Amino acid sequence: EVQLVQSGAEVKKPGESLKISCKGSGYSFTSYWIGWVRQMPGKGLEWMGIIYPGDSDTRYSPSFQGQVTISADKSISTAYLQWSSLKASDTAMYYCARRGSGAVAGTFDPWGQGTLVTVSS
Amino acid sequence: DIQMTQSPSSVSASVGDRVTITCRASQGISSWLAWYQQKPGKAPKLLIYAASSLQSGVPSRFSGSGSGTDFTLTISSLQPEDFATYYCQQANSFRITFGQGTRLEIK
Repeated sequence: EVQLVQSGAEVKKPGESLKISCKGSGYSFTSYWIGWVRQMPGKGLEWMGIIYPGDSDTRYSPSFQGQVTISADKSISTAYLQWSSLKASDTAMYYCARRGSGAVAGTFDPWGQGTLVTVSS
Repeated sequence: DIQMTQSPSSVSASVGDRVTITCRASQGISSWLAWYQQKPGKAPKLLIYAASSLQSGVPSRFSGSGSGTDFTLTISSLQPEDFATYYCQQANSFRITFGQGTRLEIK
């Protein structure tokens, strides 16, 4: 079974750093792009960026460029999303998802279960 | 970036009703469109890819159509488990964008 499992919920203070993870299993992790999506409380889905673990090629949404860093460690089939200095406005659910190829190119399936990040003083 | 506009933003319907949600792209995206369903507290689930292809395991009451800039998702006969929020997503490039979502509520 293809599966993405994300790290657990985090509660942080403004200014702190954070790195959350997304571990893939059941497929060749280096052969598919992994994307990150933000969902703020009660709001819609926002694409943040995407990485190809095979060579770490990374693309960012202009809205998130410079605000977060996406990385991957192919040796442990894990992608990461990190912040160097969190803000209260980073409070959201964050999802990772595998980008399809071939006929399903550009779509995202499966998705991780989500990581809730709460930033509050 | 390509903007995706869904309508309506919310709709109330009853079990057994036929419901159609539309999605318009700000520029042509051929058939590079996907539809997702999201239930409260859950991750989105892929329903439709390539505008009209049903993802494996998705009930046949769901269907998609369209190409270019105008797309629709139709649920032919609503079931209780279909009440959720639906998002379209353009898959034309790596600059991915989602529609703002359509909340389907029970009347």
